[in-house]
Amino acid sequence: DGGITQSPKYLFRKEGQNVTLSCEQNLNHDAMYWYRQDPGQGLRLIYYSQIVNDFQKGDIAEGYSVSREKKESFPLTVTSAQKNPTAFYLCASTPPTGRPTGYTFGSGTRLTVV
Amino acid sequence: GEDVEQSLFLSVREGDSSVINCTYTDSSSTYLYWYKQEPGAGLQLLTYIFSNMDMKQDQRLTVLLNKKDKHLSLRIADTQTGDSAIYFCAESLMDSSYKLIFGSGTRLLVRP
Repeated sequence: DGGITQSPKYLFRKEGQNVTLSCEQNLNHDAMYWYRQDPGQGLRLIYYSQIVNDFQKGDIAEGYSVSREKKESFPLTVTSAQKNPTAFYLCASTPPTGRPTGYTFGSGTRLTVV
Repeated sequence: GEDVEQSLFLSVREGDSSVINCTYTDSSSTYLYWYKQEPGAGLQLLTYIFSNMDMKQDQRLTVLLNKKDKHLSLRIADTQTGDSAIYFCAESLMDSSYKLIFGSGTRLLVRP
C-alpha cells in the first residue's frame, strides 16, 4: 500500500544536539512538506519542496534544515539553533496537481528535549 | 496574510449533531478541506469542497460554504464516540506551491 512513513515515532534530543527526522513516501508525489504542531496552535509550515533538489522556507524555518536528494525522501534536521524543538512533527505530500486531494500525512514524530 | 480561524473546543452528546465552524481570509482559495486527527496520529482527510459549491454531503458529513462571508462549516450527523478527535479546517492557496493553511483545530468531545 502506498503511503508516507515517518520515523522514529518518538525521539529524544539532548541540549545542543542535532537530530534528523525521516520522511519517506511511495506515492510518487512531487511536493513534500514539514509541519510542526504545538498544542492549541495548529500546524505551522517549516519547509516544503516541490521538486527534487529544490526546497523553500516556510513560516518557521529558523533552526531547521532539509534536503531533497530523492523524490521519495524529505528528511528534516532539527539543529541546536532551534531553541524550543519539543513538538509533534508531521510530514505530508501531495501529487503534482496539488488539488483537490490535498495532502497525505505521515503518522508523525514526537520530539522531546531532555 | 492568510489566516484560518476555528473555535478550540466543542462538546456534544452521543447521537446529536456536531457543527464545527471555520472562517478564512483568502478569497481566492479554490479548495477548502476538513481533516481529522486522532491522538498521537497524523491528519486524515475527511472531505473537501470546491469554492464554487455551496454544499457537499458525504454520508454523515455535510460541508457548507458561504463564500461571501468566508465561512465554512462541517456538520457530523449522529455523532459517535469514535468521532472524538481534533478537526482542522484548511484552505489551499491560489499559487503554484500547493500550500495549505491550517486552522488551529477544534477538539470535539463526544459524551456517552
